Amino acid sequence: EAGVAQSPRYKIIEKRQSVAFWCNPISGHATLYWYQQILGQGPKLLIQFQNNGVVDDSQLPKDRFSAERLKGVDSTLKIQPAKLEDSAVYLCASSPRRGQGAGYTFGSGTRLTVV
Amino acid sequence: GEDVEQSLFLSVREGDSSVINCTYTDSSSTYLYWYKQEPGAGLQLLTYIFSNMDMKQDQRLTVLLNKKDKHLSLRIADTQTGDSAIYFCAELLTDSWGKLQFGAGTQVVVTP
Repeated sequence: EAGVAQSPRYKIIEKRQSVAFWCNPISGHATLYWYQQILGQGPKLLIQFQNNGVVDDSQLPKDRFSAERLKGVDSTLKIQPAKLEDSAVYLCASSPRRGQGAGYTFGSGTRLTVV
Repeated sequence: GEDVEQSLFLSVREGDSSVINCTYTDSSSTYLYWYKQEPGAGLQLLTYIFSNMDMKQDQRLTVLLNKKDKHLSLRIADTQTGDSAIYFCAELLTDSWGKLQFGAGTQVVVTP
């Protein structure tokens, strides 16, 4: 089966600009996650969707970050305006249900550099 | 504490065994995972263990789970240069909708 697709792979923007990332999960996976991985750290969950509804966005900086999952399939994550500390790899993952067992698959990520 | 803890660095000679240790936080966690991350790549699931197991073996990988001490380890037998990467331990949090809590990762360097 095809994996989790993300684009773009790399993005460089200036602070205060906006940026958007796209994710296409594995077909049929109901749950979609966005994680932020800062250099030298493990990934941290930003937001989680079950179908097209948000079930956990407690760690999402809502003053600048937003995300949506249209029709329960693709998802976009947006940052507006970006800050230097947003430089990180943004990883999308999907699972057929609540992350149990072997079904939790990550994409290759989008590396964001804010200058 | 509230963090998943791992040692930051491990150096091992090719052909030897590697052991990566992890202490997790959620005593009720049902699934514990080991992921591998190579430079510029996403996270690759290596193996996982269900909480009712003490050990799981998968080819060169052996996972040991000590629930009493909330300790997880990953042993890689006959370590190869292709095993050089960052290894992350992660726990599935029980009071969540599938949130994984990760350690900071252990960088494994395999020398010839």
